[in-house]
Amino acid sequence: EIVLTQSPGTLSLSPGERATLSCRASQSVSSSFLAWYQQKPGQAPRLLIYGASTRATGIPDRFTGSGSGADFTLTINSLEPEDFAVYYCQQYGSSQPITFGQGTRLEIK
Amino acid sequence: QVQLQESGPGLVKPSQTLSLTCTVSGGSIKSGGYYWSWIRQHPGKGLEWIGYIYYTGSTSYNPSLKSRLSISADTSKNQFSLNLSPATAADTAVYYCGRFVWSPNKYYFDFWGQGTLVTVSS
Repeated sequence: EIVLTQSPGTLSLSPGERATLSCRASQSVSSSFLAWYQQKPGQAPRLLIYGASTRATGIPDRFTGSGSGADFTLTINSLEPEDFAVYYCQQYGSSQPITFGQGTRLEIK
Repeated sequence: QVQLQESGPGLVKPSQTLSLTCTVSGGSIKSGGYYWSWIRQHPGKGLEWIGYIYYTGSTSYNPSLKSRLSISADTSKNQFSLNLSPATAADTAVYYCGRFVWSPNKYYFDFWGQGTLVTVSS
């Protein structure tokens, strides 16, 4: 099983700042298999990024995914109030279980 | 727009079977290229993939749950279901059903149900 480790666990920033969230895999992951989600309290997760860097439909361009191999990053430029939430990375492996990172909580400073 | 809705008991006794059904609307579970999935979230914790089923009946399960888990589909009702037995207190969680896209360069959950809390307690 591929373990995804997200850091930091909690990130405290102010609106307008840039957030950088990390997702590190225990072994190399194809970029095609890496996705990012946003979850707000009481809601289901929402897809943000797939294929490591492709924004899902309707996702603002302030959200950028990057990375390859075992290191992936989600960057959120110029934070808006609605961006404060929990973010998860997720990987799919053809002969491995789907796994999620433990999440990064983005909170207002 | 595809919509998914979980249904089932909110309270299950330990050692009994935790059963949930996901009803899909706005799309057919017989469409190729999608795995119909269950994911759960323990209170205040992260997401855990449970397993999925393809419209052909092919399944894949999380190894940690495989011995207790069964996922099935009823294509005539456009539903798929989860059975977890025997249930324990550790299975208390919010359960989501979701659609997993499976096609070249696209491997992700695009639609989710709203989630349903299942508590395992006597």
